[in-house]
Amino acid sequence: GAGVSQSPSNKVTEKGKDVELRCDPISGHTALYWYRQSLGQGLEFLIYFQGNSAPDKSGLPSDRFSAERTGGSVSTLTIQRTQQEDSAVYLCASSLRLAGGHAAQYFGPGTRLTVL
Amino acid sequence: SQELEQSPQSLIVQEGKNLTINCTSSKTLYGLYWYKQKYGEGLIFLMMLQKGGEEKSHEKITAKLDEKKQQSSLHITASQPSHAGIYLCGGRGSQGNLIFGKGTKLSVKP
Repeated sequence: GAGVSQSPSNKVTEKGKDVELRCDPISGHTALYWYRQSLGQGLEFLIYFQGNSAPDKSGLPSDRFSAERTGGSVSTLTIQRTQQEDSAVYLCASSLRLAGGHAAQYFGPGTRLTVL
Repeated sequence: SQELEQSPQSLIVQEGKNLTINCTSSKTLYGLYWYKQKYGEGLIFLMMLQKGGEEKSHEKITAKLDEKKQQSSLHITASQPSHAGIYLCGGRGSQGNLIFGKGTKLSVKP
């Protein structure tokens, strides 16, 4: 079956521009996660959605970052007024929400963002 | 906050050799996940361990969870070039998110 898909696969933008990253989770997965992977920083959790709601946005690095999810499916991560330190690979993952919370997260291929 | 430390950071082995990667958590583990990542690609799910003493195997890869020691190990038997990549362990955070170690880079020499 289809896995998690993300678009675009690569994005090069100029400092100060806004960018929008998209994630299509596995059909039926109610939980959706955004992570960021920077060189030398490892994988950093950004935000989590259960259905359309994000209970806690404190993982977002700054108020330039926002995310939404509509219809319990597709999610978009928006970065306004991009800065060079935003350059990273942005990864999306989805999972079933099982009782007890233990469910494997399946990752998309990521969007590589480069801010010039 | 929880931190996961992996060792070694990198590993070069001859094809056919066995190897072990370790993951140690600073706090109690409530589930431990192993992933593999190839350069420029997303993470591939390998295994999930939930209970202390649990051991799972898939093909030539075996993972164990020692909850008391807050540790997990990943063992590869008779390594092949296809095993090369970055192995990441992840523990569950408060929102069900995963907190990852920095990864172990594995190279397998033919």
